[in-house]
Amino acid sequence: GEDVEQSLFLSVREGDSSVINCTYTDSSSTYLYWYKQEPGAGLQLLTYIFSNMDMKQDQRLTVLLNKKDKHLSLRIADTQTGDSAIYFCAEKRGSYIPTFGRGTSLIVHP
Amino acid sequence: DADVTQTPRNRITKTGKRIMLECSQTKGHDRMYWYRQDPGLGLRLIYYSFDVKDINKGEISDGYSVSRQAQAKFSLSLESAIPNQTALYFCATSDAPGQGIDNEQFFGPGTRLTVL
Repeated sequence: GEDVEQSLFLSVREGDSSVINCTYTDSSSTYLYWYKQEPGAGLQLLTYIFSNMDMKQDQRLTVLLNKKDKHLSLRIADTQTGDSAIYFCAEKRGSYIPTFGRGTSLIVHP
Repeated sequence: DADVTQTPRNRITKTGKRIMLECSQTKGHDRMYWYRQDPGLGLRLIYYSFDVKDINKGEISDGYSVSRQAQAKFSLSLESAIPNQTALYFCATSDAPGQGIDNEQFFGPGTRLTVL
């Protein structure tokens, strides 16, 4: 996962917006993903974006893609305690095996 | 019922012991993967298999081996466990490219392995 960079921790107050950032290195990546790992569980795909898109919105989630800077972000509006989890950014390259970042632990406090 | 299952869920063993972790899936996917997760290091790929006769090394395959007994089963072995193999191990599956969300991976619940 060393080619996909994320900060390790993010702490937010309940009700605020959370923004989790990711940088990747392969400009030929065709898909970029966000996975969520809840405590004691495996990863689950949360959302994804095609490389020909700049933005994707899905209810409280907004994904922004800046291809020039190879920067991906996940914004969670009105963050709830149930959003506390580890969020992994991943990119898909030609080998079809995604490369995962190290994960960002989102901590939501009252 | 879970689509991807792993057994055991927790295991404590001693240095030098042989350990096998098993993974089964009911998703009908051809592709299966083994990852390990360590705090601060994220997920690292150990081995992967694109079909029953295909086995490929990932970025950290040393000290591990795998067996793809059937489309639905992919097991990971530690021939002689050592303490730095203490980690959370995940099995995952994915469909062929062009099916569903391209290369979406479906993860099992994980096996927590402790090597003393």
